[in-house]
Amino acid sequence: DQQVKQNSPSLSVQEGRISILNCDYTNSMFDYFLWYKKYPAEGPTFLISISSIKDKNEDGRFTVFLNKSAKHLSLHIVPSQPGDSAVYFCAAFTGNQFYFGTGTSLTVIP
Amino acid sequence: DTGVSQNPRHKITKRGQNVTFRCDPISEHNRLYWYRQTLGQGPEFLTYFQNEAQLEKSRLLSDRFSAERPKGSFSTLEIQRTEQGDSAMYLCASSLDPGVLSTEAFFGQGTRLTVV
Repeated sequence: DQQVKQNSPSLSVQEGRISILNCDYTNSMFDYFLWYKKYPAEGPTFLISISSIKDKNEDGRFTVFLNKSAKHLSLHIVPSQPGDSAVYFCAAFTGNQFYFGTGTSLTVIP
Repeated sequence: DTGVSQNPRHKITKRGQNVTFRCDPISEHNRLYWYRQTLGQGPEFLTYFQNEAQLEKSRLLSDRFSAERPKGSFSTLEIQRTEQGDSAMYLCASSLDPGVLSTEAFFGQGTRLTVV
């Protein structure tokens, strides 16, 4: 049962434009959401997070938006840079574990 | 402290052999998690520790798998009688106790297991 879903396996964006990565979840008990970035053969690297009591969190070029009524969150990267090319995982936390989506592979074209 | 450290980075073993992986978490983190990731999938939860206590195990963790965290510091994950289906990236993560506004887990670089 996939409680966190990333329905777009891949995304290509031109350098300098906005990248929008989407994530949906099913469990209304999730109280914390995170985005991780992963390069091949390495572990996920924490990027940005948001508590369920907020609807937006911003950190430099990265902004995460949470829509609890729609059970949807998104990651905006502006402006996108070639170094942002990686697989991005959405994760949700409740109580004792993190649940991950299947990832979206972002390619930023120079 | 340079973050979560996992050893070895790569392990190739023959089917039926036992393997053991080690994870050294960030020193002040009392929570430690083990996850497994296969190609095209996100990390899947295996188990977690609160200090030295193993508080939850996934049904993915068959009786061939055992994890320990003696003294609440480093942790080991052992797989007995390995099978080809065990081939995966094994990830360790650590975190502080979850809070209302902060619950980040930090991952190590993983151990890539190949069972031949």
